[in-house]
Amino acid sequence: AQRVTQPEKLLSVFKGAPVELKCNYSYSGSPELFWYVQYSRQRLQLLLRHISRESIKGFTADLNKGETSFHLKKPFAQEEDSAMYYCALSGGNQFYFGTGTSLTVIP
Amino acid sequence: NAGVTQTPKFRILKIGQSMTLQCTQDMNHNYMYWYRQDPGMGLKLIYYSVGAGITDKGEVPNGYNVSRSTTEDFPLRLELAAPSQTSVYFCASSLSGEKLFFGSGTQLSVL
Repeated sequence: AQRVTQPEKLLSVFKGAPVELKCNYSYSGSPELFWYVQYSRQRLQLLLRHISRESIKGFTADLNKGETSFHLKKPFAQEEDSAMYYCALSGGNQFYFGTGTSLTVIP
Repeated sequence: NAGVTQTPKFRILKIGQSMTLQCTQDMNHNYMYWYRQDPGMGLKLIYYSVGAGITDKGEVPNGYNVSRSTTEDFPLRLELAAPSQTSVYFCASSLSGEKLFFGSGTQLSVL
C-alpha cells in the first residue's frame, strides 16, 4: 500500500544551522516524490520535485530508492524557512501526503 | 491570475445539514482533487477527477459526493453533515497529474 511517513511533527533549528526534514515512502511502482510547503497565511505550494533535481530556496532532496527516502535538506536555515512542510508521492493519478513537519527557525 | 478559487472560506453547519463547497480553476487543468486536512493527520484525498465527466474515489470518500460537468468546476457536496466532517478542505488542480496548484482552503465546522 502507498504510504508517506514524516516522523517529525515539529522541528526547531537555529538560524544558520543545517536542517533535514525526513520523509520515507512505500509504493509498489515507480513514484514521483515532491515536497510542498505552506508558509503562514499562504497556500500550499510546490517546493521541489525529485524528477527535476533542482535546488529551490537552498533546499535539495535526493531520492534514495534503496532506503525509500526523500529527505529535504538545507545547509543553512533562514528565518523565512519557518513553515509547514509536506512530503508527497504521486502515483496512479493520485497524490499521497505525509502528516507534515512544522519547521521553526529560531533567530 | 486567479488560479484555484474555493468558496466559502469559512462555514459552520448544524448536524444533518447539507452544503456544497465550490472549486473552480482557470488554468484549463484536466486533473482536480479534493483533500481534507485534519490536525496532525496530513492531507487525505476525498475525490479526484482526471477530466470532465470523470470522477473517482480517494481514501476517504464516505459522506461526500462530487461532480465534474465542466473542466473548470469541481464542487464537493456534503450530505447530512456530521461532526467527523469538521476539517479544512482543500481543492487542487494539475495539468497532467504532476505539480499541484492549491486553493486557499475552506474551514468547515459541524456542530
